Amino acid sequence: QVQLVESGGGVVQPGGSLRLSCAASGFTFSSYGMHWVRQAPGKGLEWVAFIRYDGSNKYYADSVKGRFTISRDNSKNTLYLQMNSLRAEDTAVYYCAKDVQNYGDYPDWFDPWGQGTLVTVSS
Amino acid sequence: SYELTQPLSVSVALGQTARITCGGNNIGSKNVHWYQQKPGQAPVLVIYRDSNRPSGIPERFSGSNSGNTATLTISRAQAGDEADYYCQVWDSSTDVVFGGGTKLTVL
Repeated sequence: QVQLVESGGGVVQPGGSLRLSCAASGFTFSSYGMHWVRQAPGKGLEWVAFIRYDGSNKYYADSVKGRFTISRDNSKNTLYLQMNSLRAEDTAVYYCAKDVQNYGDYPDWFDPWGQGTLVTVSS
Repeated sequence: SYELTQPLSVSVALGQTARITCGGNNIGSKNVHWYQQKPGQAPVLVIYRDSNRPSGIPERFSGSNSGNTATLTISRAQAGDEADYYCQVWDSSTDVVFGGGTKLTVL
């Protein structure tokens, strides 16, 4: 079955950097777009970024544009999120999620989601 | 930017019907998707493209979308349906948008 496992979360100081990974299995990773979505403690879901199945197009939320970079390695079935210039408001559980469209150009809906990894930005 | 508005909370008596709304400008022209999130768990897709149920989701879950409001309907509500529910769309100008979420309480 489809499985998404995030890793790389932890505690980082404001202004610091962190790279999240999402290991995918159970489907043809290179055929599907992928997302990162975050959820601050006690808050709702916030979409962060999307990457096309082949990595050729990337879309970002305004709140992370210029600071975060989404990427993928289809040979390793792994999705990444490089987070730089981190702020306290970036503290959240970060989920990776598979887009439903096969060879889609744009985001659609998400299924399934990983279990998430917690990022805490604090001094 | 495109915004989706959901009520903060909805209550329903056990066995009755719950309706959770998601408001947005001309949302009826967009595809709306719904997710269920239980405490400490990742979200799970319960409705896609307005009214379609993924395999494994009970028939008690249904959806509709018209005008400025999309609605998730949960019939014969059970205690296990207590969760947060989020609507989601994709808009070409603002990319992916989630509603603020609705906490469903089954009394």
